[in-house]
Amino acid sequence: NAGVTQTPKFQVLKTGQSMTLQCAQDMNHEYMSWYRQDPGMGLRLIHYSVGAGITDQGEVPNGYNVSRSTTEDFPLRLLSAAPSQTSVYFCASSRDKEQFFGPGTRLTVL
Amino acid sequence: GQQLNQSPQSMFIQEGEDVSMNCTSSSIFNTWLWYKQDPGEGPVLLIALYKAGELTSNGRLTAQFGITRKDSFLNISASIPSDVGIYFCAGQPTFAGGTSYGKLTFGQGTILTVHP
Repeated sequence: NAGVTQTPKFQVLKTGQSMTLQCAQDMNHEYMSWYRQDPGMGLRLIHYSVGAGITDQGEVPNGYNVSRSTTEDFPLRLLSAAPSQTSVYFCASSRDKEQFFGPGTRLTVL
Repeated sequence: GQQLNQSPQSMFIQEGEDVSMNCTSSSIFNTWLWYKQDPGEGPVLLIALYKAGELTSNGRLTAQFGITRKDSFLNISASIPSDVGIYFCAGQPTFAGGTSYGKLTFGQGTILTVHP
């Protein structure tokens, strides 16, 4: 199993540009989540999903959209990037309580 | 939202020393998890705790779920250089009538440096 994979690993955007961060898992996990990590603040939940077709907001959802059309994939979309979205983004998946994390995407918005 | 206070923020220790870090919350959690993050990587699960009062070990790591369900600690015994990294506690909140899977609240992290 590849586990949780994320692409790209690094990305630089200009303010106002849009992009999609990809996340996939091959463990047939129902639950998937997106977090952002900023210095000194731990990881904060952006959006999560309890199964295909079902998503909900986390602690910091503004500026981000998600969809879950399949069990395997959970993309995170930035419609109009802002410098405040400069961060490291982690995707995670779980069957129940123990979440497994991907390697992260480091995003810089200029 | 719910917040976890993790302390200390950083530790500088000598190889061979024991380490202790803890997390406290104003809210009850039904699961406590401890993760380690190496530079440039995602967090990796170290220990999971499911019941109040539970004490669990994983090699040189020991963690406990506080009996009030509002705190947890992690101990590392006889530290080695590869223990260097950021350690995070994470709690899974309790929701009436629904699942909280997929929603973790993280502490701010403890940066551990081990001098050989």
